Amino acid sequence: GNSVTQMEGPVTLSEEAFLTINCTYTATGYPSLFWYVQYPGEGLQLLLKATKADDKGSNKGFEATYRKETTSFHLEKGSVQVSDSAVYFCALRGGGSSNTGKLIFGQGTTLQVKP
Amino acid sequence: NAGVTQTPKFQVLKTGQSMTLQCAQDMNHEYMSWYRQDPGMGLRLIHYSVGAGITDQGEVPNGYNVSRSTTEDFPLRLLSAAPSQTSVYFCASSRTGSEKLFFGSGTQLSVL
Repeated sequence: GNSVTQMEGPVTLSEEAFLTINCTYTATGYPSLFWYVQYPGEGLQLLLKATKADDKGSNKGFEATYRKETTSFHLEKGSVQVSDSAVYFCALRGGGSSNTGKLIFGQGTTLQVKP
Repeated sequence: NAGVTQTPKFQVLKTGQSMTLQCAQDMNHEYMSWYRQDPGMGLRLIHYSVGAGITDQGEVPNGYNVSRSTTEDFPLRLLSAAPSQTSVYFCASSRTGSEKLFFGSGTQLSVL
């Protein structure tokens, strides 16, 4: 079945450091891929998405490229800020599914950015 | 601009007790769902609904019931709580055809 694997956290960085959070997936067909972010005490919010191979999703300085050859969707940011401290979830929706909410989530990666 | 509202935010139950977690959205979304979040396991889908009167099971439905009598509300019922149901529960909604889920702020449930 479909699954998502993220790098284990927590990830601790200094402000302005480069961020990479790894995400790989297993899926049949052509899934859509997502990154969601959860700030302390809040629900998840969609950060970015990509719906087909080689697409690059971007938002708020974060980027992720849909790599079908390596089944990966790694999240990157060139210069993190303290306000980026949160839990980041990689997720996929199986290709061909008409049910937009049946997302499969990774286990989440906690990012802590220190001043 | 309420979005998705969940109540209560915190709840402590004894084993065997029953309760209902409430979820309401004011965006006229057809699709609503319940997830549970456990350490190291991400979010897992419990039940979902594609419209009033229609519900279906997700990945981990056992021990939970749902109903969808209106577009706005999607309550989650625990008929006989067990310690294994200690978790954080999230309700989420979306428009049909949209890939963006809107989440509530969660309910932290402890079953002793």
